[in-house]
Amino acid sequence: KNEVEQSPQNLTAQEGEFITINCSYSVGISALHWLQQHPGGGIVSLFMLSSGKKKHGRLIATINIQEKHSSLHITASHPRDSAVYICAVRRRGSGDKLTFGTGTRLAVRP
Amino acid sequence: SAVISQKPSRDICQRGTSLTIQCQVDSQVTMMFWYRQQPGQSLTLIATANQGSEATYESGFVIDKFPISRPNLTFSTLTVSNMSPEDSSIYLCSVVAGAGQETQYFGPGTRLLVL
Repeated sequence: KNEVEQSPQNLTAQEGEFITINCSYSVGISALHWLQQHPGGGIVSLFMLSSGKKKHGRLIATINIQEKHSSLHITASHPRDSAVYICAVRRRGSGDKLTFGTGTRLAVRP
Repeated sequence: SAVISQKPSRDICQRGTSLTIQCQVDSQVTMMFWYRQQPGQSLTLIATANQGSEATYESGFVIDKFPISRPNLTFSTLTVSNMSPEDSSIYLCSVVAGAGQETQYFGPGTRLLVL
């Protein structure tokens, strides 16, 4: 079993829909990252969370440390949001090394 | 923030040859990370490179196959040696930077195809 599991693996949405991507992990962590990878391969860091909730524009990320679960929400989705969204955790005691989920491939149709 | 550049951006190589990938950061960082992303897979850490010391390799990766240099605080190289088609991947370097040392930055990646 992977230490970081994401769901769904693939997601197709209509423009304007509210989207939720989930991430569950099985290890103790010091932080959790949400990353966005576009088709060209470049990766952008969206959020780093250690507790609670963060918001940036149409993106919201939450984490529940007790339940070892995080969600990434996209409000009013747009075709430019189409990308692979990756959850990665910084395991407690591992320094800055990350363990990655397998990613959620999102396609937003106009 | 940190801006990372990588060279080359992509390459097609013959089996048995070696390729050196360069990673340049626009600020000084203590640790640089090298990741591999095989087709359809997520990222896997190859090694952590500290300036002035030997790189630390993850399980399944060895120095003879992936030698790393870290001559200063803004630059690192990863060599993929004696390549086989299984080495076809995207190779990314990454750093942690920012005021709270909490943001993970990634290079644009080097897309490698081994024939």
